[in-house]
Amino acid sequence: GAVVSQHPSRVICKSGTSVKIECRSLDFQATTMFWYRQFPKQSLMLMATSNEGSKATYEQGVEKDKFLINHASLTLSTLTVTSAHPEDSSFYICSARGGGLASQYFGPGTRLTVL
Amino acid sequence: GENVEQHPSTLSVQEGDSAVIKCTYSDSASNYFPWYKQELGKGPQLIIDIRSNVGEKKDQRIAVTLNKTAKHFSLHITETQPEDSAVYFCAAPHNAGGTSYGKLTFGQGTILTVHP
Repeated sequence: GAVVSQHPSRVICKSGTSVKIECRSLDFQATTMFWYRQFPKQSLMLMATSNEGSKATYEQGVEKDKFLINHASLTLSTLTVTSAHPEDSSFYICSARGGGLASQYFGPGTRLTVL
Repeated sequence: GENVEQHPSTLSVQEGDSAVIKCTYSDSASNYFPWYKQELGKGPQLIIDIRSNVGEKKDQRIAVTLNKTAKHFSLHITETQPEDSAVYFCAAPHNAGGTSYGKLTFGQGTILTVHP
């Protein structure tokens, strides 16, 4: 139980384009989803928290107009990196919480490379 | 918010030995402490967690201990195997006494290497 999927697993895009990453909870209803960014050999950096049906709450320093988050249903949240630049290249990971579960369950991550 | 410190940053052991990773936290109201294992190129996987109403929890070769007075908790892996090699993260509630929707504060991570 508590399976979270992410799609795509890898994406390469040109600078200036937008990229959408999907996060799905497969066997539970995720009332809250989290989006993280992770640089090599570093810990997880929380970008934003989203609750189903409401606007996401962004962490300090994260541009909400650049990283658009939508949590339209209890099983799906999307992160759109708009006008991507090479410095946005990173490992993006989502997690989900809900359905009576105490902790967060993570997706497998998405490796974004912006050329 | 919570502050979590994790040590050591790297840990190298021989197969069959035990490994211990320690974390300290700052918020005495924190009541839930998960541990995650992250393999290269993958997302973190929850391996064990503990609530503040118990002092120890075991799951086969993995155990977690909690000392609420000292505000620290530890992950213990016995009879280590090469497949235990990974990065391990501890975590604590970001704001245990407030509304944080389950946000977690993570430790800095420990790179565990188990040599055959």
